[in-house]
Formats: sequence, structure tokens, C-alpha cells
Amino acid sequence: EVQLVESGGGLVQPGGSLRLSCAASGFTFSSYWMHWVRQAPGKGLVWVSRINSDGSTTSFADSVKGRFTISRDNAKNTLYLQMNSLRGEDTAVYYCARDRCSGGSCYFEYWGQGTLVTVSS
Amino acid sequence: DIQMTQSPSSLSASVGDRVTITCRASQSISSYLNWYQQKPGKAPNLLIYAASSLQSGVPSRFSGSGSGTDFTLTISNLQPEDFAAYYCQQSFIIPRTFGQGTKVQIK
Repeated sequence: EVQLVESGGGLVQPGGSLRLSCAASGFTFSSYWMHWVRQAPGKGLVWVSRINSDGSTTSFADSVKGRFTISRDNAKNTLYLQMNSLRGEDTAVYYCARDRCSGGSCYFEYWGQGTLVTVSS
Repeated sequence: DIQMTQSPSSLSASVGDRVTITCRASQSISSYLNWYQQKPGKAPNLLIYAASSLQSGVPSRFSGSGSGTDFTLTISNLQPEDFAAYYCQQSFIIPRTFGQGTKVQIK
């Protein structure tokens, strides 16, 4: 059974840092691109970042570029999101998601349960 | 970035109704369009990928259509468990933008 379990969320002051983790199991983690998606309270889904299967290629939303870093440890089957210089607008539930591509079309086939990040003084 | 616009933002419907949600992309995305369902407090769940392919395990009352810039999610014979929020998402280019969501509520 595929499982994605996020952790590391919590309350942090503006300007602070936090590292989220996403522990993967039930599949060959090193074969899949992975993404982070966030959802502010009562709002919609927003794509944040992605990383390729070996960690050599990353992409970020403009809103987090230069502040967030995505990485992975394929030996530990874990995805990370390092969040620095946090702002109030970063307050959200953060989901990790496994990408799957079929016939050229890609989609988020599995999602974690999410971890809440609250940025407030 | 490609903007995804869903309509309506919310709708009220009854069990057994046929419901249609539309999603429009700001530029052509071929058939690189996915639909997700999200219930309160839960992670999103993939319903439809590549505009019209039903994800394994998803009931056949869900269907998707469209290509280019205009897409539709249809729920035929609405069931109590279908009351939720629905999001479209393009996978044509990064960033993989989502629509703002459509909340399906009980009439």
C-alpha cells in the first residue's frame, strides 16, 4: 500500500524556518518525481515545488522561490521541504504528492494527509 | 503561468442530480487536465486524468471531457458521498496550476 506521511509542521514566527518531511512507503520512492502542494485555511490548492527522481532537478512557485528548498533522500525514502524566511501567507496545510506520468499526461496519484504550518507571532 | 478558471464556484444539488463543472485554461493545454475531489479535512483524491481517463477505483458516474482550453467534469446520479470540493489542474507546464475549486453542496 502506498503511503505518504508528512511531518514537521507547527507554529513558527515570521522570518523563521521549518523543515517538512514526507516519509514514503509501499513503492519504489527513487523512481518517482515528487511534489509539494499547499492549501491555506479555507482556500484552494496551490502547487509549491517539485523534484525529479534523483534529486538533480527542482522547480518552485514564484511565491516561494529563493526561500524554499526541496530535496530528497532516496536511501531514506523521504522528501523534504526546507522553508526559510517564512511569512504569514505561507500559513497552510502542506501536502506531498507522488507524480505519475502515463502517455505523456502527469497527475498526482497519491497524496499525504498533510501537515499544518502556521506562521504567526 | 497558465490560469485555470472553474465555474461555478459553488452549487447546490440534490441526490440523484446530474452536475456539471467547467474548467477553462488561459491557453491551450491539449488534454493535460486532471480533476480532484477533496472532502473537508482530507487530502485531495484523483478522479480523472488526461481530461477523460477515469482513475482506478473511481465510480463510473464521474466523467471528464474536453481538450484545448475548455473542460468539463460531470457527475451523473449525484450520491451523498459526492458532496465535496472539486479542483481542476493543468499538467501542461510548470507551475501545475489548479482552478480555484467548486464546492458541491446539498440542496
